[in-house]
Parts: sequence; structure tokens; C-alpha cells
Amino acid sequence: DAGVIQSPRHEVTEMGQEVTLRCKPISGHNSLFWYRQTMMRGLELLIYFNNNVPIDDSGMPEDRFSAKMPNASFSTLKIQPSEPRDSAVYFCASSSLRFTSVSTDTQYFGPGTRLTVL
Amino acid sequence: DQQVKQNSPSLSVQEGRISILNCDYTNSMFDYFLWYKKYPAEGPTFLISISSIKDKNEDGRFTVFLNKSAKHLSLHIVPSQPGDSAVYFCAASEVQSGAGSYQLTFGKGTKLSVIP
Repeated sequence: DAGVIQSPRHEVTEMGQEVTLRCKPISGHNSLFWYRQTMMRGLELLIYFNNNVPIDDSGMPEDRFSAKMPNASFSTLKIQPSEPRDSAVYFCASSSLRFTSVSTDTQYFGPGTRLTVL
Repeated sequence: DQQVKQNSPSLSVQEGRISILNCDYTNSMFDYFLWYKKYPAEGPTFLISISSIKDKNEDGRFTVFLNKSAKHLSLHIVPSQPGDSAVYFCAASEVQSGAGSYQLTFGKGTKLSVIP
């Protein structure tokens, strides 16, 4: 398996521009997570989907952020308009939820997209 | 407010010695804990986990200890190897409550350097 695939790996854009980050989860996984990593706040969960449905988006910082999962093999995270404080590494992760009561299913992370907003 | 804290941003250890990475948490509802390892330019990868019904879990050179009363866990690596040099993240989730059982709350990470 190729693992979680993210594109682009690096993105440099100017303030005010729209940015779209893409993620392809591991085939067969039914949940997908978007995280943001910054020096100040570490790894933060932005939103997660279960069976393509957004379950919790309370971590999305502002209305400028939106995420979609049109099918089981693709998700996007969009920032419009982008601001310099959005500069961070954005990770996508997927897992196969089994609704077990004794463990949390392992999340498999992609390599991340390093976003720089000038 | 950080619910999972890794108070040491970095740690240097001689090859062959023990590495001990620490993690503290404040949310008493957390009942499942994980350690992830991250190399530069890669995503975090799962290393080892422990349920709150245990106080120790071992996997090869890696052992995680949980002290529920102190809300503290630690990762021991014995013996440490240069390839272990990476950033280690502690993470926690609430499983028994059913609420948020899919969500991981991460610490900020500890950068481990194993010196040959």
C-alpha cells in the first residue's frame, strides 16, 4: 500500500490567495483526519470525517478554512483567503475505525504539506 | 490550555544508554495513550500504545509506563540507537466515554538525539 498521499508537499503563496491541500487516504480506511502543526501549538486536529461525513470540525480555526470529502478516496482542505499566520505543516491521517471500547485505532499519517503564506 | 504536555523539548542520549521521554496529561477522561515518532519531512508514525487498564506495555526496545494517579506516562528506549533520533509525540484519547474516541490530543513533542 502506498500509504496516505498528500499533495502538494510544499506550497508557497501570497496573502489573500486561495490554497487547496489534497489527501488520498489508505484504501479501505473509513476515517480521515486533518491536522496542523506549528511551533507554538504543536499538532492540532482541525477536522475529521467518518465514512466521508464530517464528524467534528471544532478545530477549524476560522470560516476561511473548509474541508470536503466527496468520496472515500479523496479529501481537500481549503483556505480562502490565506494569511501569513496560516503558515504551518498540514497533515492528513487515516484510520479504520472499529468502534472498539478498549483502544483507539492507529492513525496513519501522510508526509504533510508545508504551507508558507507570504 | 494544553491537555497533554511534554515539558522537555529536547533530549540527548549516548548510544546504548536508556532514553526516557516523559509526558503529563491533565484530562482525567483520557484512557488511552500513544507514542508517535516523527522523522524530518515525514508524517508521524505510530510506535506504541497503552490502555489505562495497564501500567506497562512493552514492544522490543520500547516500553511505555503509565501512572494514572500522577497523570504521567513515559517512554523508555533501551538500548538507544542513532536511528532512534527523531521527534517523539505523546498522544491521548478518551475511549471509554465513547465521546471523541477517535480524536487524539497531542503533546508538542520531544526531540531525541542519540549520539554515536
